[in-house]
Amino acid sequence: AQSVTQLGSHVSVSEGALVLLRCNYSSSVPPYLFWYVQYPNQGLQLLLKYTSAATLVKGINGFEAEFKKSETSFHLTKPSAHMSDAAEYFCAVSEGSGGSNYKLTFGKGTLLTVNP
Amino acid sequence: DTGVSQDPRHKITKRGQNVTFRCDPISEHNRLYWYRQTLGQGPEFLTYFQNEAQLEKSRLLSDRFSAERPKGSFSTLEIQRTEQGDSAMYLCASSPPVKGAHTQYFGPGTRLTVL
Repeated sequence: AQSVTQLGSHVSVSEGALVLLRCNYSSSVPPYLFWYVQYPNQGLQLLLKYTSAATLVKGINGFEAEFKKSETSFHLTKPSAHMSDAAEYFCAVSEGSGGSNYKLTFGKGTLLTVNP
Repeated sequence: DTGVSQDPRHKITKRGQNVTFRCDPISEHNRLYWYRQTLGQGPEFLTYFQNEAQLEKSRLLSDRFSAERPKGSFSTLEIQRTEQGDSAMYLCASSPPVKGAHTQYFGPGTRLTVL
């Protein structure tokens, strides 16, 4: 069964500092991996995805993530935090190998706070 | 493309009442998913449709929950005899038939409060 662990339920950074949000996954088959962002009282917006192509994936708003199979990790980074990055971030995994249901399994989320 | 839409955005109901939520997926997306998100948690899978067929239901979907997608377009999620534990955000997502089928696009959600 697939699972996701997000280390750190709350990360606080200063504006302009590096953002690093950690995600480790467990999957019995090569996974698809995703990062979504959620602003208060809103749905989830797709930031980026790994689908077995390049291991370094670039997303929207300057975010990127690197797939490391040996470490079963998919950490999210951004070189310089902006106040507008303050939100909750979810890492998710999907297997869907050989089937049509690509249901997502999410981590518990990491709340990012950006201090001025 | 317009995105996934959900209606209503907010619903307050009393315990024991029935509620129904609607999801309109992105045009031509044949896959549709429902998830439930409680406070401080990530979304959890509830059920999956491919076209009009409901192909998988989570054990989270008790007998009081029913979902339909009658014409393979919009979907409804009904909760009968609501309980306070049903209070959550209900999220709908859709994905295309072939290319990019694994990538889900989410709606804004319906927040349910059961008093």
